[in-house]
Amino acid sequence: QKEVEQDPGPLSVPEGAIVSLNCTYSNSAFQYFMWYRQYSRKGPELLMYTYSSGNKEDGRFTAQVDKSSKYISLFIRDSQPSDSATYLCAMSVNRWGSGYSTLTFGKGTMLLVSP
Amino acid sequence: GAVVSQHPSRVICKSGTSVKIECRSLDFQATTMFWYRQFPKQSLMLMATSNEGSKATYEQGVEKDKFLINHASLTLSTLTVTSAHPEDSSFYICSARAGTSGMISYEQYFGPGTRLTVT
Repeated sequence: QKEVEQDPGPLSVPEGAIVSLNCTYSNSAFQYFMWYRQYSRKGPELLMYTYSSGNKEDGRFTAQVDKSSKYISLFIRDSQPSDSATYLCAMSVNRWGSGYSTLTFGKGTMLLVSP
Repeated sequence: GAVVSQHPSRVICKSGTSVKIECRSLDFQATTMFWYRQFPKQSLMLMATSNEGSKATYEQGVEKDKFLINHASLTLSTLTVTSAHPEDSSFYICSARAGTSGMISYEQYFGPGTRLTVT
């Protein structure tokens, strides 16, 4: 079982739809949860991050973390064609004693928002 | 926001040659830089982590003699793919982090990536 599972899609929705993107994970040690957006042939761009369980809202984006279920979600309201991209979830693993922590990424879900 | 650049954005080289990719943090000092590799429709796979002035730490399965990483200054890290082979063809992305706190890794900014094609 991979540490982070994410449906690769593609997920196709009409403009204005509410989009739900999800990841599950197996490592209960993860503490920080991030969502990145990656346009084709570009580097990932940080969208949101959350610590531990709960919700966080930023404009049209809401991130949810349910540590008991090892499940995180990103909701996009009023989706736009410009939201078409690959969305990657990422989680931080602390390496005790090494002085740094690393990100473990999901495969990414491709989202296509049609006008 | 913090900007990370990579050069070149795309490179084609012949099998057996070496290729150097530069990663620069443009408006902040990066104490830690990360190098990732991404195959089509696959996740970002961490290759190595480097702290300025010290040797890089490679992930399991990554050949350190093949992928040479140098982090000589707080704004520049380089990845050299030595004796490249077609299977090294991939999208290489660097990332830079300003803080030294091992507990908060979300402040990690990614470069635009370099597409390497080995013929």
